[in-house]
Amino acid sequence: EAGVAQSPRYKIIEKRQSVAFWCNPISGHATLYWYQQILGQGPKLLIQFQNNGVVDDSQLPKDRFSAERLKGVDSTLKIQPAKLEDSAVYLCASSSYRGTSGNEQFFGPGTRLTVL
Amino acid sequence: SQKIEQNSEALNIQEGKTATLTCNYTNYSPAYLQWYRQDPGRGPVFLLLIRENEKEKRKERLKVTFDTTLKQSLFHITASQPADSATYLCAPSRDQAGTALIFGKGTTLSVSS
Repeated sequence: EAGVAQSPRYKIIEKRQSVAFWCNPISGHATLYWYQQILGQGPKLLIQFQNNGVVDDSQLPKDRFSAERLKGVDSTLKIQPAKLEDSAVYLCASSSYRGTSGNEQFFGPGTRLTVL
Repeated sequence: SQKIEQNSEALNIQEGKTATLTCNYTNYSPAYLQWYRQDPGRGPVFLLLIRENEKEKRKERLKVTFDTTLKQSLFHITASQPADSATYLCAPSRDQAGTALIFGKGTTLSVSS
């Protein structure tokens, strides 16, 4: 099966500019996650969708970050305006609840954002 | 708040030896614990999941233990190879129904030939 697709792979912007990342999850996966991974740290959840509804956005800086998942498939994460501390890798993951199998998550390659 | 600690940020071992990585958690009672591997420039890849009622889980050269009393999981790679060099992340979770994961910082393993 095709994996999780993300674009762009790299992005360099000036502080206060806007940026958007796109994610296409594995077909049929109802749950989609956006994680932020700062260099040397583990991924940190920003937002979780179940189909096109938000399950958890408690760690999303809502004054500058927004995300949507139209039609329960693709998702877009936006930062406006960007700050220097937003420099990180943004990972998209998806999962499908399969009863007793647990929620193994499938990650995309990530988008590396550099804010200058 | 929930805290996850993985032993030393870096672990260097010789090829053929067994690598043992540690994951400790506090203020948390996970029902599951997952281990992921992450290579530079790539997203994490799922390796193993162990449930709280399982003491040990094996997959090829990998073995994971889960001690809910000690609040600790150990991840072993036997007969390690240079190709095993990567960062390994542990992620406890409370349930299986699509809960988002809380990751540790990871341990970077380097296996030299």
